[in-house]
Formats: sequence, structure tokens, C-alpha cells
Amino acid sequence: QVQLQEAGPGLVKPSQTLSLTCSVSGGSISSGNYYWSWIRQHPGKGLEWIGYIYYSGSTYYNPSLKSRVTMSVDTSKNQFSLKLSSVTAADTAIYFCARGTNGYNQYFDFWGQGTLVTVSS
Amino acid sequence: EIVLTQSPGTLSLSPGERATLSCRASQSVRSSYLAWYQQKPGQAPRLLIYGASSRATGIPDRFSGSGSGTAFTLTISRLEPEDFAVYYCQQYGSSPWTFGQGTKVEIK
Repeated sequence: QVQLQEAGPGLVKPSQTLSLTCSVSGGSISSGNYYWSWIRQHPGKGLEWIGYIYYSGSTYYNPSLKSRVTMSVDTSKNQFSLKLSSVTAADTAIYFCARGTNGYNQYFDFWGQGTLVTVSS
Repeated sequence: EIVLTQSPGTLSLSPGERATLSCRASQSVRSSYLAWYQQKPGQAPRLLIYGASSRATGIPDRFSGSGSGTAFTLTISRLEPEDFAVYYCQQYGSSPWTFGQGTKVEIK
């Protein structure tokens, strides 16, 4: 059974960079069958897909966040990461990492439990 | 991007009743690449349906999905107590992948 676990600071100051890491267990991130995504949920709201990274390092970001997002992968640690720069209060959300399956056109079959990130001074 | 609109916003039903949830897309969803998720408070979403009508592993057969093009439906044939939750649809036919705003199924 694949498990994902997010880690990172729960509080980030405005204008700084939010950094999160997702650790994957029970399966290799280097399996070519999957893409690895970040998805966020504003408090009490719906879900917003942020982007994905493939084990090779190729990425695709949601155009709405593209200018501020960077994702990376560390296959040796079976982890992938998210950086979101110049954060504001509007970036306060629960951040989930998830495994995308079905190739490029992906839905999400395994999710981390999510981590709340609050942007506040 | 494709906008998904879910209705109703809230569905108030009793255990044993049938639930019908709608998800409409602003443009046709290619290849019926439409998924449904269930989310309970404090938990991550759980995959229920993919490809508009295929149940994910371990999902009871009281959950079924249908539809194509711009109109999709999730049906729960007989609500069990554990089914009261928020349900989201997601399209993955055209990037960026997008989600609906959710339908809350609450106990009447």
C-alpha cells in the first residue's frame, strides 16, 4: 500500500517562500507509471491542483500559480518537493501531495493526509 | 480551463435513501476523463470513481458513476451512515486538471 506524508513549516511569513516535502513509502517514486502532484484546499473550500512532477524531473504547473511554483524530486530519498514563492494570506491552505495515475491524464489514487500552512506575520 | 459546477450544493437525505449528485463541465471532458472523490472532515479526499464510471479498488457497488461530454452523475444507491461527506468531481482530460466546488451530503 502506497503512503504519502507531507512535511514542512506550518507557518510562513508573507512574501517568503513556502517549502514542503512529500515522502513516499510502499512504492518507488521512480516507477514510470505515475506522476506526483501537489493539491491545495483553502479552509472550508474546494480543491486546487497546483502541478505535478515526473520522476525524471519534468514538470507541469497550473498556469494560475506557474510564476511562483517550483517542484523538484529526489529519487534517492523517494521524495518530491514544492516551493511557492512570494506567499500571501491567500496561500493559506491545506496542502496535499498525491499520486497521479493513468499516465499524463491523471486522477489521484493515493493522497497524503495534508498539512495546514498558514501565511501570517 | 474547464470549469466544473456541482449541484446541489447540499443534499439532505436519510440513511437508506438514494443520492444523485451532478457535475457539469463548461466544455466537453475528453474521453470521459472524470473522477469522483469523497472527503470527510479532517481527511484527504478518497478516490471513488474514475473514467466517469469505473469504481476504484475497494469501493462498494452502491457507488456508481455515469455520464459523458459535459454532464456527469454520481449515484449512491442506498446511503449508509459512513457516506455522509463532501463529494468532488475532477476532470483530467484537459490541463490544468480542475475540481468542482463540492456537494455536501448531510443527514436529514
